[in-house]
Amino acid sequence: DVKVTQSSRYLVKRTGEKVFLECVQDMDHENMFWYRQDPGLGLRLIYFSYDVKMKEKGDIPEGYSVSREKKERFSLILESASTNQTSMYLCASSFHRMSGYTFGSGTRLTVV
Amino acid sequence: GENVEQHPSTLSVQEGDSAVIKCTYSDSASNYFPWYKQELGKGPQLIIDIRSNVGEKKDQRIAVTLNKTAKHFSLHITETQPEDSAVYFCAVPSGGGADGLTFGKGTHLIIQP
Repeated sequence: DVKVTQSSRYLVKRTGEKVFLECVQDMDHENMFWYRQDPGLGLRLIYFSYDVKMKEKGDIPEGYSVSREKKERFSLILESASTNQTSMYLCASSFHRMSGYTFGSGTRLTVV
Repeated sequence: GENVEQHPSTLSVQEGDSAVIKCTYSDSASNYFPWYKQELGKGPQLIIDIRSNVGEKKDQRIAVTLNKTAKHFSLHITETQPEDSAVYFCAVPSGGGADGLTFGKGTHLIIQP
């Protein structure tokens, strides 16, 4: 069964910490995405990547960075966590740019 | 970038009745229209999608219709069942040269027994 795996379901971090959220897909997909999901705001795109070592900013990249050293792995980095980054983070991958996404189960991050 | 409006935000229907969720978009160049279902504690899952060269697509009890002239597309669920209770999201390509999908804000579908 093909899937996208996010390393943690729940995380609690302190303000100012550097936070790594990991995502791995086993479908050999070119494209990978990071979204955050907040009540009333839906899903908003943070960053995406369509190739190894490539990255593009989405709609809300401020305060985040990403890393894609291998095709199957896409990491989201919060350089200095803040309370307004408390959210559900969803990773997704797709075969090509106009095909359906496969999402991971999400990481619920709380910054205290 | 693309702007997607999804309505209603909450929809309650009796089990066995039909449910319809509608999305409107702004970029007339959009040509891919997926729908996702998110159950509690899970990530969204693609349930159906349509491309702009067709007006309707069906898969058992679910269907998507597209009106490119009016720039809207709809999800139709017939003979609703309790397991259809979830949050549903529409999406369109972000446009403006950007990749990725822009999602609607979601519809919480409640199936009343």
